[in-house]
Amino acid sequence: QSALTQPASVSGSPGQSITISCTGTSSDVGAYNYISWYQHHPGKAPKLMIYEVTNRPSGVPDRFSGSKSGNTASLTISGLQAEDEADYHCTSYSSSSTPWVFGGGTKLTVL
Amino acid sequence: EVQLVESGGGLVQPGVSLRISCAASGFIFSTYNMHWVRQAPGKGLEWVSYISSSATTIQYADSVRGRFTISRDNAKNSLYLQMNSLRDEDTAVYFCARGGGYRFDSWGQGTLVTVSS
Repeated sequence: QSALTQPASVSGSPGQSITISCTGTSSDVGAYNYISWYQHHPGKAPKLMIYEVTNRPSGVPDRFSGSKSGNTASLTISGLQAEDEADYHCTSYSSSSTPWVFGGGTKLTVL
Repeated sequence: EVQLVESGGGLVQPGVSLRISCAASGFIFSTYNMHWVRQAPGKGLEWVSYISSSATTIQYADSVRGRFTISRDNAKNSLYLQMNSLRDEDTAVYFCARGGGYRFDSWGQGTLVTVSS
């Protein structure tokens, strides 16, 4: 059981937008703006896509955006492309005994 | 280019020990905090351990505290995870990740550790 809750799967057609939610508690997502998102193509190295809720590292397309409201963070991908098909994981810093907590991951399928 | 290459995984029996390594290149290793993160088959990512750049601060997940030991050799640009008393539930791909603030800004491809009798 992961500390943060993500939908197991989402899907969308090329060009559409999708949003992946990441729900935590007042000890993690609700308490800190240290939420980050990772794209993971199985068998490859995960890649940082969003950090500190809304920031994109250099090289990440602006089609990827992040937001937060209360205990829920969200990743939105607009203008879906075939190469966006991957697993997406959220993480948050936490005041619990485990300082970094992850969601269970969301499999994005581009139809 | 930042490169992190894990090694040392394999098939081991429950109760035994194993040490995995992460070779870093493309950045000044001694100035970065580092993490181990794992992913069990069919599951999400799980943070395992953290070590500060000079190894003065070390943290562990509850699930591995007392059994796993993180360490680093800045002269060799290497990160290690000594895993003792391995359990079936430790079966996972283990990733090393570079720490950047409160995020993991670069990752390796992982090394598979399988614990099974």
